[in-house]
Amino acid sequence: QQQVKQSPQSLIVQKGGISIINCAYENTAFDYFPWYQQFPGKGPALLIAIRPDVSEKKEGRFTISFNKSAKQFSLHIMDSQPGDSATYFCAASIKWGSTLGRLYFGRGTQLTVWP
Amino acid sequence: GAGVSQSPSNKVTEKGKDVELRCDPISGHTALYWYRQRLGQGLEFLIYFQGNSAPDKSGLPSDRFSAERTGESVSTLTIQRTQQEDSAVYLCASSPGTSGRASNEQFFGPGTRLTVL
Repeated sequence: QQQVKQSPQSLIVQKGGISIINCAYENTAFDYFPWYQQFPGKGPALLIAIRPDVSEKKEGRFTISFNKSAKQFSLHIMDSQPGDSATYFCAASIKWGSTLGRLYFGRGTQLTVWP
Repeated sequence: GAGVSQSPSNKVTEKGKDVELRCDPISGHTALYWYRQRLGQGLEFLIYFQGNSAPDKSGLPSDRFSAERTGESVSTLTIQRTQQEDSAVYLCASSPGTSGRASNEQFFGPGTRLTVL
């Protein structure tokens, strides 16, 4: 059972456009929501993360929007660049119990930014 | 500083053989994780080590999979009697620890690509 659902599976955006990737979860015990970026042949790297006590977090061109009541969060990439072309994974982790720290990942979104 | 390293980077094996994959975490990181990434899929949790606590093995897909960790250092993931469906990239990650509200950012290695013929 997929604990974190991610969409779309692939996304094509023109340079300068806005890329939006959405994720949804069911488990209300999740309290940490990171986004990871993965380039081919590399391991994922943390891009930006949010905790549920805020509704938005911005770092440069990357913004996470978080809707606690809807149990949804999204990544917005402003002014998308060809160098942003990668696979993006949303994830969540649970705060209590033996699985503390384990990340539950979405299936990933392959982003292509055309020049 | 050095990041998480994994070896080998690529491993090709025949069905039925055993394989060992190695992970060297970032020095001082108490938590270590193994994930599996099948082609075009997300990361699937396998096992989690935290300090001297008993590991969380809940993600291991079968008893052919096992992992060990030496203290807070290197970890080895072993797959016995490999099957074709074991073909995947095996990723290791480490983090400083997960006490309180400390960051639980996970730092990933480059992975080991396993191909079972």
